[in-house]
Amino acid sequence: EAGVAQSPRYKIIEKRQSVAFWCNPISGHATLYWYQQILGQGPKLLIQFQNNGVVDDSQLPKDRFSAERLKGVDSTLKIQPAKLEDSAVYLCASSLELSGSSYEQYFGPGTRLTVT
Amino acid sequence: AQTVTQSQPEMSVQEAETVTLSCTYDTSENNYYLFWYKQPPSRQMILVIRQEAYKQQNATENRFSVNFQKAAKSFSLKISDSQLGDTAMYFCAFMKHEVDDMRFGAGTRLTVKP
Repeated sequence: EAGVAQSPRYKIIEKRQSVAFWCNPISGHATLYWYQQILGQGPKLLIQFQNNGVVDDSQLPKDRFSAERLKGVDSTLKIQPAKLEDSAVYLCASSLELSGSSYEQYFGPGTRLTVT
Repeated sequence: AQTVTQSQPEMSVQEAETVTLSCTYDTSENNYYLFWYKQPPSRQMILVIRQEAYKQQNATENRFSVNFQKAAKSFSLKISDSQLGDTAMYFCAFMKHEVDDMRFGAGTRLTVKP
C-alpha cells in the first residue's frame, strides 16, 4: 500500500512570496490533516478535511494560509504572503475515517519550508 | 485546553538496554486516546503504540510498552532491548474521544549508542 505522498520535499522562499504544498493521501482515506511542525516543537494541527469538507480549521491563520481538497482526494496548502515565522515542516496525514473512532493517522514525509 | 508535556528533551541508551520516556498530560476529559509516535531522522512519523483511556491494561507492542497512570495523568513509554533503529524523535500525543484535534508534546530525542 502506497503511503502519504507530499511534494515538494524542500522549499526555500523569500518573505512575502507565496508557496504551495501538495499532498496525496492513502487511497480510500476519507480524512486528511495538515500539520505545522516548527523546529523543536511537536506538530500542530492546521486544518482537517473529511472528504472535501473542512472539519476543523480553527488553528489555521486564515489571513495568509489557505487549503483545499477538491474532489476529496488530493489537497493543497498555500501560504501567501509568507513570513519568517512560517519556516517549519508541513506534514500531511490521512486516516480511514475520523480518528476519534481510533483509526490511525498515517503521516507523509513532510515539506521543509525555509523563509528567508 | 489539553496540554502534553515531555520533560526530557534528549535521552540516550546503550544498545540492548532499556529506556523509559516520560509524558504527562492535562485534561478534564474521561474518554481519550494517548499515542506515542516515532519520527526517525529525515523519515516520516509512524505510530508506535496507542492506549485507550478506558482500558486499564497497559498497551504492548513487541519491545514497546506503556505505563499508563490515569489518575496521575502519566503515560510513559518503555523500550526494551534498544536497537540502533530506535534512534529517533519520540512524540507523545493526546486526543479526545470522537474529536480529531491531536495534541503533541515537544518530543524527546532518543539516541541509541552501539
